Amino acid sequence: KQEVTQIPAALSVPEGENLVLNCSFTDSAIYNLQWFRQDPGKGLTSLLLIQSSQREQTSGRLNASLDKSSGRSTLYIAASQPGDSATYLCVDGTASKLTFGTGTRLQVTL
Amino acid sequence: DAGITQSPRHKVTETGTPVTLRCHQTENHRYMYWYRQDPGHGLRLIHYSYGVKDTDKGEVSDGYSVSRSKTEDFLLTLESATSSQTSVYFCAINGQGRTEAFFGQGTRLTVV
Repeated sequence: KQEVTQIPAALSVPEGENLVLNCSFTDSAIYNLQWFRQDPGKGLTSLLLIQSSQREQTSGRLNASLDKSSGRSTLYIAASQPGDSATYLCVDGTASKLTFGTGTRLQVTL
Repeated sequence: DAGITQSPRHKVTETGTPVTLRCHQTENHRYMYWYRQDPGHGLRLIHYSYGVKDTDKGEVSDGYSVSRSKTEDFLLTLESATSSQTSVYFCAINGQGRTEAFFGQGTRLTVV
């Protein structure tokens, strides 16, 4: 059974810092890995989708990487802003049921 | 934006009444899911569907039923609402293979 873990569980950084969120998974037979953000009281917004054949994807200040051999994905956020404050989730979309990571709560302070 | 909508967005109902939440998609995705999210908990799977008339239980299915008579619609029914079912409900969709999953905006249900 796939298990997806995110470290750290919570992170606070000052505005402008570059940061990395980590996602580890136990089963490397993965089709894709998707990163979402959830703002308080809101739904999940898709950020990036990485296919198993890809090593990374970029969108604006976000860059996500996937290393199947080591069972890891990272989400890199450049020049963080207060608007980046949210909970970030990585999700394995391989099986018929999505497997969610444990989440990282990010706070970007002024 | 992905074509997934939930209705209603907010609902207040009385204990013991039936409630139906609707999830509608325009992406023609095979898989549809219903989750609930409560403070201190992550998203918990209630039921999911892998095709028309094909559904299966998730980890918190007691007290809930679902139906999918068309590819685009997935209904979640609380047969007799209880206060413990007060929650925010999210619908999600996912295609088969290497496609992107999307979530609805959520339905905030309060059972009084």
